[in-house]
Amino acid sequence: EDQVTQSPEALRLQEGESSSLNCSYTVSGLRGLFWYRQDPGKGPEFLFTLYSAGEEKEKERLKATLTKKESFLHITAPKPEDSATYLCAVMPAGYALNFGKGTSLLVTP
Amino acid sequence: ETGVTQTPRHLVMGMTNKKSLKCEQHLGHNAMYWYKQSAKKPLELMFVYSLEERVENNSVPSRFSPECPNSSHLFLHLHTLQPEDSALYLCASSLDDGGSGYGYTFGSGTRLTVV
Repeated sequence: EDQVTQSPEALRLQEGESSSLNCSYTVSGLRGLFWYRQDPGKGPEFLFTLYSAGEEKEKERLKATLTKKESFLHITAPKPEDSATYLCAVMPAGYALNFGKGTSLLVTP
Repeated sequence: ETGVTQTPRHLVMGMTNKKSLKCEQHLGHNAMYWYKQSAKKPLELMFVYSLEERVENNSVPSRFSPECPNSSHLFLHLHTLQPEDSALYLCASSLDDGGSGYGYTFGSGTRLTVV
């Protein structure tokens, strides 16, 4: 059975304090791993897609990496506006996106 | 505006009511989805429509009934709901199956409360 596990469940950082979020997965035939950001009262917003182990993608203070078993979302020098829930999802072969529970990030000034 | 519009944003309904959620996309996508988001749980896939044909139904109770009249519109008809059905209902769309590029584009959701 496909599974996506995100850790930690919640993370509190001081502004400028870099950290990483983890997404561990087991899936048959990974077609892609997706990262989304979700703000309160809104739907998830697309951040990155990763397709193969060793791949990395960056956007502003965020960098996503992928191995055969997990993905990391690295946040460098975060700002309060980076506070949100970050969702990881995998797309198995022939099926729809399968999501983890998310990591709730709070960045304080 | 994300390109996927959901109405209403909030809905309170009694267990004996019948209501419908609406989703509309103007992105030229050809697949649409309903997800349920409950506190402390992952997003749960409810229904998938590709080219207006339903292709997946994850054993959702029959009190939820989807309708996709065309590739731009998706409805979720609700009847005889239970309090545990209270959740955020998210609509999403994608080009093909979303496996290449940007995955799914989500709407802002309908916050449903069943009393």
